[in-house]
Amino acid sequence: TQLLEQSPQFLSIQEGENLTVYCNSSSVFSSLQWYRQEPGEGPVLLVTVVTGGEVKKLKRLTFQFGDARKDSSLHITAAQPGDTGLYLCAGARTSGTYKYIFGTGTRLKVLA
Amino acid sequence: DVKVTQSSRYLVKRTGEKVFLECVQDMDHENMFWYRQDPGLGLRLIYFSYDVKMKEKGDIPEGYSVSREKKERFSLILESASTNQTSMYLCASRTGPNTGELFFGEGSRLTVL
Repeated sequence: TQLLEQSPQFLSIQEGENLTVYCNSSSVFSSLQWYRQEPGEGPVLLVTVVTGGEVKKLKRLTFQFGDARKDSSLHITAAQPGDTGLYLCAGARTSGTYKYIFGTGTRLKVLA
Repeated sequence: DVKVTQSSRYLVKRTGEKVFLECVQDMDHENMFWYRQDPGLGLRLIYFSYDVKMKEKGDIPEGYSVSREKKERFSLILESASTNQTSMYLCASRTGPNTGELFFGEGSRLTVL
């Protein structure tokens, strides 16, 4: 059973467009992370959110944790080819857990 | 720079062979993980270790075992490889639980014929 569903699964957009990626679950998470993975490399952490309703910004990327801590979104403004990659959300079900559950992934391609 | 190194980037093995995937981290991290990555399924946890010689099953441990004799090294073992174990395998390490960042290796792509 996949507890974290991401949408869309694939996204191909032109440089300069905006986009939003969603990470949804019916379960509550104590914290949630977003990672980006480029071809031939392992995922790299972008952000961790821990409070319901929390919004964090990383340059052109805006991350939000849902009020009920069951979902999260990643919004990219004015996408660039360097944003191309696989975006993964990962949630911790309980505080102090060692186990993170990863989402299904969103593969983004930004065309120049 | 923090570093997680996986011993092999690409492996091709035959059904029934024993396969060792090794991972070394240089960050003195307590926790280490083995994930399997398949398209459309994200990353699925196979095993993790929260300390030397300590291990726990993840979500898909069947067909796999692990070894952690030293803090910096975590090995994934496929006792008898099968074609459904063809996948990308990712090793990761972390300082501690919950909000800690996972540091990943570059991955080992295993093909079982």
